[in-house]
Amino acid sequence: DTAVSQTPKYLVTQMGNDKSIKCEQNLGHDTMYWYKQDSKKFLKIMFSYNNKELIINETVPNRFSPKSPDKAHLNLHINSLELGDSAVYFCASSLNPTDTQYFGPGTRLTVL
Amino acid sequence: QKEVEQNSGPLSVPEGAIASLNCTYSDRGSQSFFWYRQYSGKSPELIMSIYSNGDKEDGRFTAQLNKASQYVSLLIRDSQPSDSATYLCAVMGTGRRALTFGSGTRLQVQP
Repeated sequence: DTAVSQTPKYLVTQMGNDKSIKCEQNLGHDTMYWYKQDSKKFLKIMFSYNNKELIINETVPNRFSPKSPDKAHLNLHINSLELGDSAVYFCASSLNPTDTQYFGPGTRLTVL
Repeated sequence: QKEVEQNSGPLSVPEGAIASLNCTYSDRGSQSFFWYRQYSGKSPELIMSIYSNGDKEDGRFTAQLNKASQYVSLLIRDSQPSDSATYLCAVMGTGRRALTFGSGTRLQVQP
């Protein structure tokens, strides 16, 4: 049973395109997150939703738009992709905003 | 000053030795501390969480927290080659509802 899953695992696309990454968790958690891990392996929070409500929105270009249709899903849509968006994007979930976070397998985005 | 600092390594230890990984943080009011392990190309997986000053042991792993000195450490006893990975320290800061990660320490256990 996969606890936190993401699709796709790999995404290769051209600059200027729009793409989406999907995340689902079957842990019954209330809180979900998107993190970006850059080429230097630094893991940084982008967004967090608690019970479908946005609670964290770090300094991220507004080309990035998260959407949470329900507590078990958190998607990330990226418009007008740029070279600098190339990274691994991790989804995570936790029981509540201060509890242990469990990570999905990651989506490696490459923008050409 | 970075919010969470770790030595990037690599930290190289022989098999069977104790590996000691350290992390310092800047937010004195931080309450929750986590150690994650990340193998190359994989996602971070939780090893330990610690919330109170002192030591917390789980198998070969011991987390140590000293809030007065603002550091948290992870000891790995009887290190195995399979422990070779990057270890990420994560801190939940005051009033924050997200983790701040250090840049990670790469551990290499030599057979």
